[in-house]
Amino acid sequence: QSVLTQPPSVSAAPGQKVTISCSGSSSNIGNNYVSWYQQLPGTAPKLLIYENNKRPSGIPDRFSGSKSGTSATLGITGLQTGDEADYYCGTRDSSLTTGVFGGGTKLTVL
Amino acid sequence: QVQLQQSGPGLVKPSQTLSLTCAISGDSVSNNSVVWNWIRQSPSRGLEWLGRTYYRSKWFNDYAVSVKSRITVNPDTSKNQFSLQLNSVTPEDTAVYYCAGGANWVFFVWGQGTLVTVSS
Repeated sequence: QSVLTQPPSVSAAPGQKVTISCSGSSSNIGNNYVSWYQQLPGTAPKLLIYENNKRPSGIPDRFSGSKSGTSATLGITGLQTGDEADYYCGTRDSSLTTGVFGGGTKLTVL
Repeated sequence: QVQLQQSGPGLVKPSQTLSLTCAISGDSVSNNSVVWNWIRQSPSRGLEWLGRTYYRSKWFNDYAVSVKSRITVNPDTSKNQFSLQLNSVTPEDTAVYYCAGGANWVFFVWGQGTLVTVSS
């Protein structure tokens, strides 16, 4: 059971927009920055978003992040078949002094 | 560009010690702005942060409560790498293990992953 809660799966058609939610509590998301990671099949996770809404160099602006209270959201616009992957949210848990992750959301581009 | 290269056995017997190494290129294990981590992933536990080492005028380590009694993460400045040792493993420790570098609980760079199976 992951500390952060994500929907197991989402799907949308190519070119459309999708959002993935990540729910936590005041000890994690509520008082810390959120990151998002993309994991393509058979590869290591890759950082997509950090500090709630910042993109590392090389990440297209089709990917966006936001946070409100104890929840965060990843948005992907202009969906491509290459976006099919598992997406994970992550943050710090202040009460555990550890990093915590969501259970992951599988994105299917129909 | 920072790259991490993992090495170590993919099969460990129950009760023995799991040992993995993460070699760093493009950065230094002694960089006082970076934290070097071990994270594992399994179908039953998802992504699980295990431990970290970092240099801030001296070396520090932090470990997850779930493995604190069994884990050691050590830097090796002579080889610019860091290691993971997990003692007394059981089949529950079967997972893909990743090393990762980052800061403030953001993991900017990841190793390629090592599938470690605990089985006799």
